[in-house]
Amino acid sequence: ETGVTQTPRHLVMGMTNKKSLKCEQHLGHNAMYWYKQSAKKPLELMFVYSLEERVENNSVPSRFSPECPNSSHLFLHLHTLQPEDSALYLCASSPRTSGSDEQYFGPGTRLTVT
Amino acid sequence: ILNVEQSPQSLHVQEGDSTNFTCSFPSSNFYALHWYRWETAKSPEALFVMTLNGDEKKKGRISATLNTKEGYSYLYIKGSQPEDSATYLCALYSGGGADGLTFGKGTHLIIQP
Repeated sequence: ETGVTQTPRHLVMGMTNKKSLKCEQHLGHNAMYWYKQSAKKPLELMFVYSLEERVENNSVPSRFSPECPNSSHLFLHLHTLQPEDSALYLCASSPRTSGSDEQYFGPGTRLTVT
Repeated sequence: ILNVEQSPQSLHVQEGDSTNFTCSFPSSNFYALHWYRWETAKSPEALFVMTLNGDEKKKGRISATLNTKEGYSYLYIKGSQPEDSATYLCALYSGGGADGLTFGKGTHLIIQP
């Protein structure tokens, strides 16, 4: 148990659906992250939030829309996805966005777009 | 785009043997180097965060070294046990306004009884 939870763990959605991924941490961390892992690729950073403000967006398509309503919760809203968006989506948190802080990861959501 | 390379991609080791693998990164973009262990069906778990050239860190049978001038880090496992089977990820934090980690593809370690 890392203290970071993600729901759902598995999600199958059609290309016209709208769904949301949820991440929650009660570690008192100020930074939260979304990562994507596609098959045979390294973990790719999607979004970084620090104190509920987005600080980095790695040129992610607009069909992925993050939301951070407070420092404990992070959402990833999905709409009109493509089959190539099928991947494992991991959430993480850290005390600060400083690179010297280790990150705590959730178990991930396995997303399949049909 | 930063390039973080890990080798080998996969590794089979006999139980009881020691092993090591490598993470290479551009030395000009260094701020911190992270190592994570990722067991199947679990969350990635932090092992070490290293920031200083020549740094050496240890956690039980696992240790890591860092050379920021030549751009590499080694992870060592002494006396491998079946529970060490996992994918080991390294990640570079380059600072300079960027706030995320750039990960390598990982080394997949299998310990054979």
